[in-house]
Amino acid sequence: EAEVAQSPRYKITEKSQAVAFWCDPISGHATLYWYRQILGQGPELLVQFQDESVVDDSQLPKDRFSAERLKGVDSTLKIQPAELGDSAMYLCASSLSYNEQFFGPGTRLTVL
Amino acid sequence: DQQVKQNSPSLSVQEGRISILNCDYTNSMFDYFLWYKKYPAEGPTFLISISSIKDKNEDGRFTVFLNKSAKHLSLHIVPSQPGDSAVYFCAASLTGNQFYFGTGTSLTVIP
Repeated sequence: EAEVAQSPRYKITEKSQAVAFWCDPISGHATLYWYRQILGQGPELLVQFQDESVVDDSQLPKDRFSAERLKGVDSTLKIQPAELGDSAMYLCASSLSYNEQFFGPGTRLTVL
Repeated sequence: DQQVKQNSPSLSVQEGRISILNCDYTNSMFDYFLWYKKYPAEGPTFLISISSIKDKNEDGRFTVFLNKSAKHLSLHIVPSQPGDSAVYFCAASLTGNQFYFGTGTSLTVIP
């Protein structure tokens, strides 16, 4: 069964360090999303890609966050420098059609 | 500004009874709605959806109702099973734009 892959599953880092998360969407899915989910809240969109192009990054804190999907397949989300408030679950999702997104297992980030 | 709200953080239901999870939204332009189910340490999984041209969609034990005038949707699970215990998120969008998620309702089905 096709799945969205994410790594690492867990990441602990100290504040001011750089962290990177990787996502491999379901094969053939042109649209890829990065979400942040803070404990007790719903997922919030950080960035949306259509193939290799960013279509929405309005809620991405661009002073410290960056995302890329160079070949329109897998994607990397980076935080530099990490802050305490960045501790959250980072979810990647992909979709073939607009109306259904498939989520990966997420990366749980803890910033100390 | 929370555009999608789930006002009940938790719900407990006896096995075999009906579970009703509620969701309210503020943007009357939203035209597509989904429910996701999330187990601990896993990503959300798609459960059921409804477009604004309908007021009901059914899939097995799961039924979603949409009341556009009240800007309210609900998910009914009948009969509830212990394996249904999870966090349920509703999400809404204006087609072609991003999805907005609620804060989730943790459902516990008691055997």
